[in-house]
Amino acid sequence: AQSVTQPDARVTVSEGASLQLRCKYSYSGTPYLFWYVQYPRQGLQLLLKYYSGDPVVQGVNGFEAEFSKSNSSFHLRKASVHWSDSAVYFCVLSANSGTYQRFGTGTKLQVVP
Amino acid sequence: GPKVLQIPSHQIIDMGQMVTLNCDPVSNHLYFYWYKQILGQQMEFLVNFYNGKVMEKSKLFKDQFSVERPDGSYFTLKIQPTALEDSAVYFCASSLAVSNERLFFGHGTKLSVL
Repeated sequence: AQSVTQPDARVTVSEGASLQLRCKYSYSGTPYLFWYVQYPRQGLQLLLKYYSGDPVVQGVNGFEAEFSKSNSSFHLRKASVHWSDSAVYFCVLSANSGTYQRFGTGTKLQVVP
Repeated sequence: GPKVLQIPSHQIIDMGQMVTLNCDPVSNHLYFYWYKQILGQQMEFLVNFYNGKVMEKSKLFKDQFSVERPDGSYFTLKIQPTALEDSAVYFCASSLAVSNERLFFGHGTKLSVL
């Protein structure tokens, strides 16, 4: 079975602070992992993706994520958040032989002054 | 960049009526998807479609749902008849290939069933 868990439904951070959004996955094979962001009243946009190789992947707007096979995790990080980062973030899992991408429940990020 | 267009952005209908949601996917993409977003957060897979056929569907894809893409035009999701629990935002997505390719999403159609 494949699944994605985002344990934090909501996260609030101060502008300029660092950020980590947690993601755990369950899949016995080699996963394809994505982070998407959804800004208010918009569709989803890809932040970054991991297929193989360097476990730390760089994305857009200063985001990065680290894949850990031992922990079955793919946490998203940013060194310094901006108010415009306020959005809903989805961790997404795709199986090597799967036909669709499975979404986590999402984490709503609020950046406060 | 490549865009997926969804028409209309908001649709209000009475329970029991039929509704068709339209999606204009990225032109060279081959795989098409519908997702349902509930309460502004949870994204649930409904169905994916390739080469004129449904490849996979979830339990949420009830018998009242159907999808098609006649002659390479709009990729549509039809619900007939609608139920109150169908109220949600429906997102269309497309990709060049399956599973390991990024999805390109439209802005969604908010469906309100009264």
